[in-house]
Amino acid sequence: EAQVTQNPRYLITVTGKKLTVTCSQNMNHEYMSWYRQDPGLGLRQIYYSMNVEVTDKGDVPEGYKVSRKEKRNFPLILESPSPNQTSLYFCASSLTARGVSDTQYFGPGTRLTVL
Amino acid sequence: QKEVEQNSGPLSVPEGAIASLNCTYSDRGSQSFFWYRQYSGKSPELIMFIYSNGDKEDGRFTAQLNKASQYVSLLIRDSQPSDSATYLCAVMNYGGATNKLIFGTGTLLAVQP
Repeated sequence: EAQVTQNPRYLITVTGKKLTVTCSQNMNHEYMSWYRQDPGLGLRQIYYSMNVEVTDKGDVPEGYKVSRKEKRNFPLILESPSPNQTSLYFCASSLTARGVSDTQYFGPGTRLTVL
Repeated sequence: QKEVEQNSGPLSVPEGAIASLNCTYSDRGSQSFFWYRQYSGKSPELIMFIYSNGDKEDGRFTAQLNKASQYVSLLIRDSQPSDSATYLCAVMNYGGATNKLIFGTGTLLAVQP
């Protein structure tokens, strides 16, 4: 089954404790992206990757890191989480990011709470 | 001005009626437009996309695009209670080596049995 998976699905942590949220897709997509979703603010892009070893900042990259060492995986790293990073996080992927019909497929989401 | 604007709702319609969801965008260079449905606490799922002016139909759903007015809409015919969800409009902006998908904040649809 073609899908985007994320782990963990739920996470409660404390300020300053490094964490990683994994994202994996099995569709051989070149493009992957991380979003956060907050009430009233909608989906905002954190980082994206056009292919292996190619990453770039989105609209809200502060406090986050990413890496793309393999095509299928795109982990999101919070080196020192803070309460303002409490949010619902989505990973998404698409075949490319250049076609008019490039559709982004979303993972199930990770609900993160930072105390 | 937000890049993609939607009325937050809730939009309440009776079962069997037509639900009309609207979206405006600010970038005249935008070329692709997507409608996603999102149930509470779940991930967005694609309903349909459109990139030509006019109407595009898929089952009970019709997307309408008017680039001159910078307006895109989604019509849901024969609305069902299972259609109750937040509908996200997304606009693909082109620039540089990659395109960027900009989301509206969504319209909450409530279909009353």
